[in-house]
Amino acid sequence: AQSVTQLGSHVSVSEGALVLLRCNYSSSVPPYLFWYVQYPNQGLQLLLKYTSAATLVKGINGFEAEFKKSETSFHLTKPSAHMSDAAEYFCAVSEGGYNKLIFGAGTRLAVHP
Amino acid sequence: EPEVTQTPSHQVTQMGQEVILRCVPISNHLYFYWYRQILGQKVEFLVSFYNNEISEKSEIFDDQFSVERPDGSNFTLKIRSTKLEDSAMYFCASSGLALPGYPDYEQYFGPGTRLTVT
Repeated sequence: AQSVTQLGSHVSVSEGALVLLRCNYSSSVPPYLFWYVQYPNQGLQLLLKYTSAATLVKGINGFEAEFKKSETSFHLTKPSAHMSDAAEYFCAVSEGGYNKLIFGAGTRLAVHP
Repeated sequence: EPEVTQTPSHQVTQMGQEVILRCVPISNHLYFYWYRQILGQKVEFLVSFYNNEISEKSEIFDDQFSVERPDGSNFTLKIRSTKLEDSAMYFCASSGLALPGYPDYEQYFGPGTRLTVT
């Protein structure tokens, strides 16, 4: 069975500071990993994904994530936070292909001036 | 840019009533999904659908739930007799053939339908 753990339900950073959102996964097969962002009253938008190619994945809006198999982690980072980054972020794992996504509980990111 | 659409955006219904949530997946996609998110909780998988049949369903997806692709464009989720605990945001997603600019396997989500059961 697959699962995702997101450490920290709420993260607060200053504008311009580093953003680090943590995600650890459990999977019995090589995982596909995703980060989605959800803005208030909107659906889920894919930020980036890992599908067994390069371990450092770059996504939209300046976000990137690194797949570390030894640590079973896929943390999301952004060097400099912007006010518009305030949203909820979900890490998800899949067995690949067209299989279902298993989501973490989400991390709400607040960015203050 | 193709996108998944869902109607209605908000549905209020009384306990015991039937509701149908509608989704229009991205054209040419072949795989369809329903997820739900109870307020303050994680997004949970309900069901996946391919080739006019359910390919996988979760424990949540019991006999009260059904899905259908009644025509070439719509994908619906029906709840026969709603319960208070069915109150949630329901997301439809689609995935499928690689299109220019749309990599394979990626699931595209609609904006959701907020279902409130009173």
